[in-house]
Amino acid sequence: AQSVTQLDSQVPVFEEAPVELRCNYSSSVSVYLFWYVQYPNQGLQLLLKYLSGSTLVESINGFEAEFNKSQTSFHLRKPSVHISDTAEYFCALKGNQGGKLIFGQGTELSVKP
Amino acid sequence: DTEVTQTPKHLVMGMTNKKSLKCEQHMGHRAMYWYKQKAKKPPELMFVYSYEKLSINESVPSRFSPECPNSSLLNLHLHALQPEDSALYLCASSQDRREFFGPGTRLTVL
Repeated sequence: AQSVTQLDSQVPVFEEAPVELRCNYSSSVSVYLFWYVQYPNQGLQLLLKYLSGSTLVESINGFEAEFNKSQTSFHLRKPSVHISDTAEYFCALKGNQGGKLIFGQGTELSVKP
Repeated sequence: DTEVTQTPKHLVMGMTNKKSLKCEQHMGHRAMYWYKQKAKKPPELMFVYSYEKLSINESVPSRFSPECPNSSLLNLHLHALQPEDSALYLCASSQDRREFFGPGTRLTVL
């Protein structure tokens, strides 16, 4: 069985502070890993993905995540957050043979001025 | 065209109504999905179409009926829904293991 655990349901942070949203996974097969962001009253947007190759992946808006196979983690980081980063963030995995996208429970990032 | 579109954005319906949700993508993706999302929860998979054939039905009640008329379109027909079916309904399509989501239809059942 595969699962994703997001360790924090809510993360409040002040503007311009660094943030880390934690994600751990469990799988008996190799996986592809994703972070999705959902702004209020919108659909999900793919923020970044790990499919293969470099374990450090970056998005265009300053977020990065590192795939750590030994710790089965894929934590999301940003060195300096903006008010506009306030959203729900979902970590997800898919097995290397396809199948369903398995989501974590989500982390609500709240950036305060 | 690099997006998934969904109509309508909002829908209010009574329990005896029949309505349909529509999803469209022109990225050439051959897999399309319907998800249901309740507030503050992750999306739950409902149906998967692969090459226009239903490949996964996650034990969804028959009051939800999916249809894939062609490789670009995906519909979800709704009939005799219950108030607990009120949710955000998301469509997605996929390529190279990545799923791309539409903006969703916010459904309210009275």
